[in-house]
Amino acid sequence: DSGVTQTPKHLITATGQRVTLRCSPRSGDLSVYWYQQSLDQGLQFLIQYYNGEERAKGNILERFSAQQFPDLHSELNLSSLELGDSALYFCASSLGTPGDTQYFGPGTRLTVL
Amino acid sequence: DAKTTQPPSMDCAEGRAANLPCNHSTISGNEYVYWYRQIHSQGPQYIIHGLKNNETNEMASLIITEDRKSSTLILPHATLRDTAVYYCIVRVAVKTSYDKVIFGPGTSLSVIP
Repeated sequence: DSGVTQTPKHLITATGQRVTLRCSPRSGDLSVYWYQQSLDQGLQFLIQYYNGEERAKGNILERFSAQQFPDLHSELNLSSLELGDSALYFCASSLGTPGDTQYFGPGTRLTVL
Repeated sequence: DAKTTQPPSMDCAEGRAANLPCNHSTISGNEYVYWYRQIHSQGPQYIIHGLKNNETNEMASLIITEDRKSSTLILPHATLRDTAVYYCIVRVAVKTSYDKVIFGPGTSLSVIP
């Protein structure tokens, strides 16, 4: 158990819909990272937040957005969902110091029908 | 693009040492080598990391060449539960404005009874 929690574990929805994925970091961690893992793409970095502020951006679509709240939990919002958005979405957290270890949550499996 | 190259797959007999190689020929002086593994569709699990010196923990040993252009992860006595995809990653170790972690395709290790 990494100490990072993600909800929900599974999510099934239809094309065009909007969903919110939630992540609670390990106690004491200030940084949260979001990754997408689809069958043909591997683990793709989406975005990083540090203490409420966006720190780094990867290949995140404009239909996707994220935020980190004052209690340091983070939410990833996915809108206008397409079939291709079906994937595992992982959250990771770290202290936030450069090069520190990221600990991953169990993931949310999103299925878009 | 990932800054590391790994063999796509390897086999190892149960109880024997598993030696997983990684090439990172363009590594900078301020970059750590990190290893993670992912068992089936679970969240990636941190294994070990190092900068210049060899490192050992309860899970594995990390051997980094003197020129730092390659490294080897050693699982001393592989078990069936070590069957997973192993990722080798390089990450900066000094303060930067961002921390974009890039995962490559990794090495799929199969431990055979």
